[in-house]
Amino acid sequence: DGGITQSPKYLFRKEGQNVTLSCEQNLNHDAMYWYRQDPGQGLRLIYYSQIVNDFQKGDIAEGYSVSREKKESFPLTVTSAQKNPTAFYLCASSSPGQGTSPLHFGNGTRLTVT
Amino acid sequence: QKEVEQNSGPLSVPEGAIASLNCTYSDRVSQSFFWYRQYSGKSPELIMSIYSNGDKEDGRFTAQLNKASQYVSLLIRDSQPSDSATYLCAVRVRRDKIIFGKGTRLHILP
Repeated sequence: DGGITQSPKYLFRKEGQNVTLSCEQNLNHDAMYWYRQDPGQGLRLIYYSQIVNDFQKGDIAEGYSVSREKKESFPLTVTSAQKNPTAFYLCASSSPGQGTSPLHFGNGTRLTVT
Repeated sequence: QKEVEQNSGPLSVPEGAIASLNCTYSDRVSQSFFWYRQYSGKSPELIMSIYSNGDKEDGRFTAQLNKASQYVSLLIRDSQPSDSATYLCAVRVRRDKIIFGKGTRLHILP
Protein backbone atom coordinates (compact mmCIF):
# COMPACT_ATOMS: atom_id res chain seq x y z
CA ASP A 1 0.00 0.00 0.00
CA GLY A 2 1.16 3.51 -0.77
CA GLY A 3 1.74 5.88 2.08
CA ILE A 4 4.02 8.02 4.15
CA THR A 5 6.22 6.51 6.83
CA GLN A 6 7.59 8.57 9.67
CA SER A 7 10.02 7.14 12.14
CA PRO A 8 10.42 6.83 14.99
CA LYS A 9 6.98 7.34 16.53
CA TYR A 10 8.48 8.65 19.78
CA LEU A 11 11.88 10.27 20.16
CA PHE A 12 13.63 11.49 23.28
CA ARG A 13 16.73 13.67 23.29
CA LYS A 14 18.78 15.74 25.65
CA GLU A 15 18.92 19.47 25.19
CA GLY A 16 21.80 20.55 22.96
CA GLN A 17 21.70 17.49 20.71
CA ASN A 18 20.71 17.54 17.07
CA VAL A 19 18.12 14.98 16.04
CA THR A 20 16.90 13.82 12.61
CA LEU A 21 13.33 12.75 11.90
CA SER A 22 12.76 10.41 9.01
CA CYS A 23 10.02 10.72 6.36
CA GLU A 24 9.66 8.36 3.41
CA GLN A 25 6.82 8.22 0.87
CA ASN A 26 5.98 5.77 -1.92
CA LEU A 27 3.10 7.75 -3.38
CA ASN A 28 5.28 9.16 -6.16
CA HIS A 29 4.41 12.66 -4.96
CA ASP A 30 6.65 15.52 -5.97
CA ALA A 31 6.00 17.81 -3.00
CA MET A 32 6.80 17.07 0.62
CA TYR A 33 6.21 19.09 3.75
CA TRP A 34 7.12 19.26 7.42
CA TYR A 35 4.73 20.70 9.97
CA ARG A 36 5.00 21.17 13.69
CA GLN A 37 2.05 20.93 16.06
CA ASP A 38 2.05 22.08 19.67
CA PRO A 39 -0.69 21.06 22.16
CA GLY A 40 -4.02 22.65 21.32
CA GLN A 41 -2.57 24.33 18.25
CA GLY A 42 -2.87 23.97 14.51
CA LEU A 43 -0.11 22.94 12.14
CA ARG A 44 2.73 25.34 11.42
CA LEU A 45 4.81 24.91 8.30
CA ILE A 46 8.55 24.37 8.85
CA TYR A 47 9.92 23.51 5.39
CA TYR A 48 8.57 22.26 2.11
CA SER A 49 10.01 20.91 -1.10
CA GLN A 50 8.45 20.79 -4.52
CA ILE A 51 11.23 18.92 -6.31
CA VAL A 52 14.41 17.03 -5.57
CA ASN A 53 17.36 19.18 -4.46
CA ASP A 54 15.14 22.18 -3.83
CA PHE A 55 13.25 23.29 -0.72
CA GLN A 56 11.79 26.45 0.78
CA LYS A 57 11.47 27.78 4.30
CA GLY A 58 8.03 27.79 5.81
CA ASP A 59 6.80 30.05 8.57
CA ILE A 60 8.95 28.66 11.40
CA ALA A 61 12.17 27.38 9.78
CA GLU A 62 14.62 28.75 12.37
CA GLY A 63 16.45 25.97 14.17
CA TYR A 64 15.54 23.34 11.57
CA SER A 65 17.22 21.99 8.43
CA VAL A 66 16.12 19.62 5.67
CA SER A 67 17.47 17.85 2.61
CA ARG A 68 15.77 16.43 -0.47
CA GLU A 69 18.27 14.17 -2.19
CA LYS A 70 15.64 11.67 -3.30
CA LYS A 71 12.01 12.11 -4.34
CA GLU A 72 10.92 9.58 -1.73
CA SER A 73 12.73 11.06 1.27
CA PHE A 74 12.59 14.37 3.13
CA PRO A 75 14.39 14.13 6.51
CA LEU A 76 14.11 16.93 9.05
CA THR A 77 16.91 17.82 11.45
CA VAL A 78 16.02 19.61 14.64
CA THR A 79 19.15 21.44 15.67
CA SER A 80 20.27 22.63 19.07
CA ALA A 81 19.40 26.15 17.91
CA GLN A 82 15.69 25.36 18.05
CA LYS A 83 14.64 26.86 21.38
CA ASN A 84 11.48 24.83 21.97
CA PRO A 85 11.85 21.57 20.03
CA THR A 86 9.40 19.45 22.02
CA ALA A 87 6.39 18.99 19.72
CA PHE A 88 4.49 16.63 17.41
CA TYR A 89 6.09 16.64 13.95
CA LEU A 90 4.07 15.75 10.88
CA CYS A 91 5.38 14.97 7.41
CA ALA A 92 3.08 15.22 4.41
CA SER A 93 3.17 14.96 0.64
CA SER A 94 1.07 16.07 -2.32
CA SER A 95 1.13 16.31 -6.08
CA PRO A 96 1.65 20.01 -6.85
CA GLY A 97 1.19 19.44 -10.55
CA GLN A 98 -2.50 19.28 -9.69
CA GLY A 99 -3.36 22.50 -7.87
CA THR A 100 -6.25 20.84 -6.11
CA SER A 101 -4.22 18.03 -4.58
CA PRO A 102 -4.60 17.70 -0.79
CA LEU A 103 -1.91 16.74 1.68
CA HIS A 104 -1.42 13.13 2.72
CA PHE A 105 0.06 12.78 6.20
CA GLY A 106 2.31 10.32 7.93
CA ASN A 107 1.54 9.17 11.47
CA GLY A 108 3.84 11.72 13.04
CA THR A 109 6.84 11.73 15.36
CA ARG A 110 6.47 12.97 18.91
CA LEU A 111 9.76 14.56 19.97
CA THR A 112 10.55 15.26 23.61
CA VAL A 113 13.68 17.21 24.51
CA THR A 114 14.70 17.51 28.17
CA GLN B 1 1.41 37.11 6.44
CA LYS B 2 -1.14 34.82 4.86
CA GLU B 3 -3.54 33.59 7.54
CA VAL B 4 -6.29 31.10 8.12
CA GLU B 5 -8.61 31.82 11.02
CA GLN B 6 -10.86 29.43 12.92
CA ASN B 7 -12.78 29.65 16.17
CA SER B 8 -10.89 27.39 18.58
CA GLY B 9 -14.04 26.24 20.38
CA PRO B 10 -14.91 23.94 21.96
CA LEU B 11 -18.10 23.75 19.96
CA SER B 12 -20.65 21.53 21.72
CA VAL B 13 -23.44 20.05 19.60
CA PRO B 14 -26.11 17.54 20.63
CA GLU B 15 -26.01 14.14 18.97
CA GLY B 16 -28.11 14.14 15.81
CA ALA B 17 -27.89 17.89 15.30
CA ILE B 18 -25.96 19.83 12.65
CA ALA B 19 -22.46 21.00 13.51
CA SER B 20 -21.27 24.11 11.67
CA LEU B 21 -17.57 24.90 11.47
CA ASN B 22 -16.25 28.12 9.96
CA CYS B 23 -12.98 29.34 8.50
CA THR B 24 -11.81 32.61 6.97
CA TYR B 25 -8.65 33.20 4.98
CA SER B 26 -6.71 36.30 4.05
CA ASP B 27 -5.12 35.46 0.67
CA ARG B 28 -7.59 36.36 -2.08
CA VAL B 29 -5.78 34.30 -4.71
CA SER B 30 -6.23 31.04 -2.76
CA GLN B 31 -7.80 28.38 -4.97
CA SER B 32 -7.98 25.14 -2.97
CA PHE B 33 -9.50 24.55 0.44
CA PHE B 34 -9.47 21.49 2.64
CA TRP B 35 -11.06 20.27 5.85
CA TYR B 36 -9.15 17.76 7.96
CA ARG B 37 -10.30 15.89 11.05
CA GLN B 38 -7.77 15.15 13.77
CA TYR B 39 -8.32 12.89 16.74
CA SER B 40 -6.19 13.47 19.81
CA GLY B 41 -2.66 12.18 19.31
CA LYS B 42 -3.26 11.21 15.69
CA SER B 43 -2.37 12.75 12.35
CA PRO B 44 -4.97 14.72 10.36
CA GLU B 45 -7.19 12.91 7.89
CA LEU B 46 -8.84 14.56 4.90
CA ILE B 47 -12.60 15.06 5.16
CA MET B 48 -13.41 17.34 2.24
CA SER B 49 -11.79 19.35 -0.53
CA ILE B 50 -13.51 22.27 -2.26
CA TYR B 51 -12.31 24.48 -5.09
CA SER B 52 -15.35 26.25 -6.55
CA ASN B 53 -17.87 28.62 -5.01
CA GLY B 54 -20.94 26.91 -3.65
CA ASP B 55 -21.64 23.68 -1.82
CA LYS B 56 -20.06 20.26 -2.08
CA GLU B 57 -21.67 17.32 -0.36
CA ASP B 58 -20.18 13.98 0.65
CA GLY B 59 -22.35 11.83 2.86
CA ARG B 60 -23.06 13.68 6.10
CA PHE B 61 -20.52 16.38 5.27
CA THR B 62 -21.09 19.55 3.24
CA ALA B 63 -18.36 22.06 2.47
CA GLN B 64 -19.35 25.58 1.48
CA LEU B 65 -17.06 28.09 -0.22
CA ASN B 66 -17.55 31.80 -0.78
CA LYS B 67 -14.44 33.28 -2.37
CA ALA B 68 -15.82 36.83 -2.44
CA SER B 69 -16.19 36.74 1.35
CA GLN B 70 -13.03 34.59 1.77
CA TYR B 71 -15.03 32.13 3.80
CA VAL B 72 -15.22 28.36 3.85
CA SER B 73 -17.38 26.23 6.14
CA LEU B 74 -18.05 22.60 6.98
CA LEU B 75 -21.45 21.28 7.98
CA ILE B 76 -21.81 17.90 9.65
CA ARG B 77 -25.35 16.55 9.61
CA ASP B 78 -26.68 13.97 12.06
CA SER B 79 -23.67 14.49 14.32
CA GLN B 80 -22.33 11.36 15.99
CA PRO B 81 -20.11 10.99 19.09
CA SER B 82 -17.39 9.71 16.75
CA ASP B 83 -17.37 13.14 15.09
CA SER B 84 -15.87 14.59 18.28
CA ALA B 85 -12.43 15.75 17.17
CA THR B 86 -10.50 18.83 16.13
CA TYR B 87 -11.33 20.09 12.64
CA LEU B 88 -8.56 21.86 10.75
CA CYS B 89 -9.15 24.22 7.85
CA ALA B 90 -6.33 24.31 5.30
CA VAL B 91 -5.76 26.63 2.35
CA ARG B 92 -3.43 26.22 -0.60
CA VAL B 93 -2.05 29.72 -1.04
CA ARG B 94 0.31 28.85 -3.87
CA ARG B 95 0.74 25.67 -5.85
CA ASP B 96 3.14 24.26 -3.33
CA LYS B 97 2.29 25.84 0.02
CA ILE B 98 -0.59 24.85 2.27
CA ILE B 99 -1.29 26.62 5.56
CA PHE B 100 -3.61 25.65 8.38
CA GLY B 101 -5.85 27.33 10.87
CA LYS B 102 -5.48 26.49 14.56
CA GLY B 103 -8.47 24.16 14.43
CA THR B 104 -11.89 23.99 16.07
CA ARG B 105 -12.54 21.42 18.77
CA LEU B 106 -15.92 19.80 18.27
CA HIS B 107 -17.68 17.92 21.06
CA ILE B 108 -20.79 15.90 20.26
CA LEU B 109 -22.97 15.51 23.32
CA PRO B 110 -24.61 12.05 23.62
